[in-house]
Amino acid sequence: DAKTTQPTSMDCAEGRAANLPCNHSTISGNEYVYWYRQIHSQGPQYIIHGLKNNETNEMASLIITEDRKSSTLILPHATLRDTAVYYCIAYSGAGSYQLTFGKGTKLSVIP
Amino acid sequence: NAGVTQTPKFRILKIGQSMTLQCTQDMNHNYMYWYRQDPGMGLKLIYYSVGAGITDKGEVPNGYNVSRSTTEDFPLRLELAAPSQTSVYFCASSYSRVAGGNEQFFGPGTRLTVL
Repeated sequence: DAKTTQPTSMDCAEGRAANLPCNHSTISGNEYVYWYRQIHSQGPQYIIHGLKNNETNEMASLIITEDRKSSTLILPHATLRDTAVYYCIAYSGAGSYQLTFGKGTKLSVIP
Repeated sequence: NAGVTQTPKFRILKIGQSMTLQCTQDMNHNYMYWYRQDPGMGLKLIYYSVGAGITDKGEVPNGYNVSRSTTEDFPLRLELAAPSQTSVYFCASSYSRVAGGNEQFFGPGTRLTVL
């Protein structure tokens, strides 16, 4: 599966939108982009995934560029509880079923 | 639904001891996974299972064994604990493994220290 690149850390003011970028320039046509987050010491939590269309659910929105080389996870109104490490993962379902978690982006929501 | 549950939450082992980490899910998922997470790092897959009686190695299987006798349970066995196995262990399950359907649900983790 394609490698993804994310900034190490980001800050966001409480109540504002948090926009977390992810680069996946080598993504193939059948790979989906998944986002998970991990709040301190807890198990990762699934947020959203998509292939090429923008997706929205009750937690977040996922914007994938037309060339699919990058994406942005949007938390529309960040709260202190959104402070976590956010992981962007490219997954095709081929080979092992491993979701490759890199180091992610540490998002700090500031009061 | 309890989702994915893991026991114990914490454990300290001496070098050479053995233990089993328990994992149970109540979502009737066929696919189950064991990951480890070392401090400041991402998760690495140890073993996975595609259904009762079927398991396979992941990225870092050495020093571990698994079994899957029922859909619900997927225990991870450490036979001869070593300091390198000090880590946080997460169990996960999913309904599917296809590209657009592999939402994995994770348990709360087991913190293991080997001294």
